[in-house]
Amino acid sequence: GDSVTQMEGPVTLSEEAFLTINCTYTATGYPSLFWYVQYPGEGLQLLLKATKADDKGSNKGFEATYRKETTSFHLEKGSVQVSDSAVYFCALSDWPSGNQFYFGTGTSLTVIP
Amino acid sequence: DAGVIQSPRHEVTEMGQEVTLRCKPISGHDYLFWYRQTMMRGLELLIYFNNNVPIDDSGMPEDRFSAKMPNASFSTLKIQPSEPRDSAVYFCASRPTGDNEQFFGPGTRLTVL
Repeated sequence: GDSVTQMEGPVTLSEEAFLTINCTYTATGYPSLFWYVQYPGEGLQLLLKATKADDKGSNKGFEATYRKETTSFHLEKGSVQVSDSAVYFCALSDWPSGNQFYFGTGTSLTVIP
Repeated sequence: DAGVIQSPRHEVTEMGQEVTLRCKPISGHDYLFWYRQTMMRGLELLIYFNNNVPIDDSGMPEDRFSAKMPNASFSTLKIQPSEPRDSAVYFCASRPTGDNEQFFGPGTRLTVL
């Protein structure tokens, strides 16, 4: 079945460092891919998404490219800030063939000044 | 739009008590999802509804858990009787027909003593 494998955390970076969080997926069809962010004490918020191969999602300085050949959707940011400290979830949607989301285990990021 | 609304935000109860969690989806969204988040198991889909009808409840852990959606603007997740291993954060999410993005509520943190 469909699944998402996400880089284990936690990740600790200094402010202005480069961030990469790896995400790979397994899917039988043509999924859409997402990154959600969860700040402490809050629900998940959509960070970015891509709906087909070679699409690049971007938001708030974060980017991820849908790579079908490597079945990957790695999250990157060139210069992290303390305010980026959160848990990041990679997710896959099998819509319209299905209605479920498949989430990765989450990667906790802490950015220190 | 107010987003997905969940209540209560925090619930502390004793083992054996009945617990009811509530969710109001975003107006016009036809799909509603209940998730449970724990450190050990991450995000798990418990059940989802389409147009108030339960579609897939295979994630409901056992008969102690039940969910209803009496109308388009309200859903409940009930645990009776509650056990300490039910302690988790429970999220509700909604999604419109024709789109694959899920919108999450802030969650209910349940502690069963």
